[in-house]
Amino acid sequence: DVKVTQSSRYLVKRTGEKVFLECVQDMDHENMFWYRQDPGLGLRLIYFSYDVKMKEKGDIPEGYSVSREKKERFSLILESASTNQTSMYLCASSSWTGARGGYTFGSGTRLTVV
Amino acid sequence: RKEVEQDPGPFNVPEGATVAFNCTYSNSASQSFFWYRQDCRKEPKLLMSVYSSGNEDGRFTAQLNRASQYISLLIRDSKLSDSATYLCVVSNAGNNRKLIWGLGTSLAVNP
Repeated sequence: DVKVTQSSRYLVKRTGEKVFLECVQDMDHENMFWYRQDPGLGLRLIYFSYDVKMKEKGDIPEGYSVSREKKERFSLILESASTNQTSMYLCASSSWTGARGGYTFGSGTRLTVV
Repeated sequence: RKEVEQDPGPFNVPEGATVAFNCTYSNSASQSFFWYRQDCRKEPKLLMSVYSSGNEDGRFTAQLNRASQYISLLIRDSKLSDSATYLCVVSNAGNNRKLIWGLGTSLAVNP
C-alpha cells in the first residue's frame, strides 16, 4: 500500500523553538506539499516542491521554510514557533502523470505551541 | 469570491437517503476536479475524480458542468459510515501540481 508518513502524530513545542516536521513518501512522486488545516479556514498551502532541491511558496509561507534534499523526503521547518502556528499540519504527494489521481496525504501532525 | 465554494452544511439525512452536494468554481480554465472525503481528525482521502462525461463509483456519482462551472456529488442509499466532510477540489494547472480546496460540506447520516 502506498504511503506518506509523517514523523509525529502529536507535538507540543514552546514559543521560540525551532520545529522540524518530517514527511516521507514511498511512491516515487515528484510533487510534495505542506498544508495546514484550521477550523473555518480549510486547507492552506504553505510550500510545495516539484523536484529535489526545488521549492515554491504557497499561500501562507511566512514563518516557515522547507527542505527537499531527497526525492522521498520533504521537511517543514518552523524557524521560531509561535502560538498562531498551532495547527494540524498535513503533508501530501502527487505524481506528474496523476491528473486523475489527486494527492495522497499523510495522517497529519497536530502541533501545539505553548 | 472564493475560488471553490461549497455549502458547509451540515446535511443531516437518515440511512438509506439520497443526498447531493454541489460545488462551484470560479476559474473557467480549471482542468481537473476531485471529491475528497475527510473523517473527523483524519487526513483527506481521494473519493473520486470527476470526469467531463460524469462518472459513477458504486453508490457515488460525480458530475461536472463546465458551462455553469459546478461539480456535484450524489450519494445514494446513505450509510452511517458515509458521515464525513466532503471536500470539492479543483486543479488549474494541467499537471496536478497544485490544487484549490473548498472548505467542505459536512454530512451526518443518522440511524
